Amino acid sequence: DAGVIQSPRHEVTEMGQEVTLRCKPISGHDYLFWYRQTMMRGLELLIYFNNNVPIDDSGMPEDRFSAKMPNASFSTLKIQPSEPRDSAVYFCASSSDIATNEKLFFGSGTQLSVL
Amino acid sequence: GESVGLHLPTLSVQEGDNSIINCAYSNSASDYFIWYKQESGKGPQFIIDIRSNMDKRQGQRVTVLLNKTVKHLSLQIAATQPGDSAVYFCAENGGGGNKLTFGTGTQLKVEL
Repeated sequence: DAGVIQSPRHEVTEMGQEVTLRCKPISGHDYLFWYRQTMMRGLELLIYFNNNVPIDDSGMPEDRFSAKMPNASFSTLKIQPSEPRDSAVYFCASSSDIATNEKLFFGSGTQLSVL
Repeated sequence: GESVGLHLPTLSVQEGDNSIINCAYSNSASDYFIWYKQESGKGPQFIIDIRSNMDKRQGQRVTVLLNKTVKHLSLQIAATQPGDSAVYFCAENGGGGNKLTFGTGTQLKVEL
C-alpha cells in the first residue's frame, strides 16, 4: 500500500486566494482526519470523518475552512479566503478504528505558505 | 482545560546511550496512548501504543511505561542511534472515541 497520499507537498499562495488540499487515505480505512501543525500550537485536529461522514469539526478554525469527503478514497480541505495566519503544515491521516488499538497513519503533509 | 504536555522540549543523548522521553497527561478518562516519531519533512509515524490496563509494553528497542497514578507516560529508547533523531509526540484518546490529542513534542538529538 502506498500509504496516505497528500497533494500538493508545498503550496505558496497570496492572501485572499482559495487553497485546496487533497488527501487519499489508505484503502479500507474508515476514518480520515485533518490535522494542522504549527510551532506555536503543535498538532491540532481540525476535523475527522467516519465512512465519508463528518463526525467532529469542532477544530475547524472558522468558516473560511471547509472539508469534504465525497467518497472513501478522497478528501479535500479548502481555505477560502486564505490568510497569512493559515500558514502551517496540514496533515491528513487515516485509521481503521482508534478504539480497537488501530493507529493513525499520516501522510507527508502539505506545507502551506500564505503571503 | 485538559491537555497533554511534555516536560522537556529538547533532549540530547550520546549515540549508544538510552533515551527517556516523558509526557504528562491530565485527562484521567484517557485509556489509550500512542507515541509517534516525526522526522524532518515527514508526517508522524507510529512507534508504540499502550492501553490503560497495562503499565508497560515493549517493542523493538522501545518501551512505553504508563503510570496512571501520576498520569505519566514515558518512552524509553535503548541504544539510541543517529536515526532516532526526531521529534517525539505522545498522544491520548481522551477516554474513547476517535480523537487523539497530541502533546507539544520533544526534540531528540543524538550526538555521535
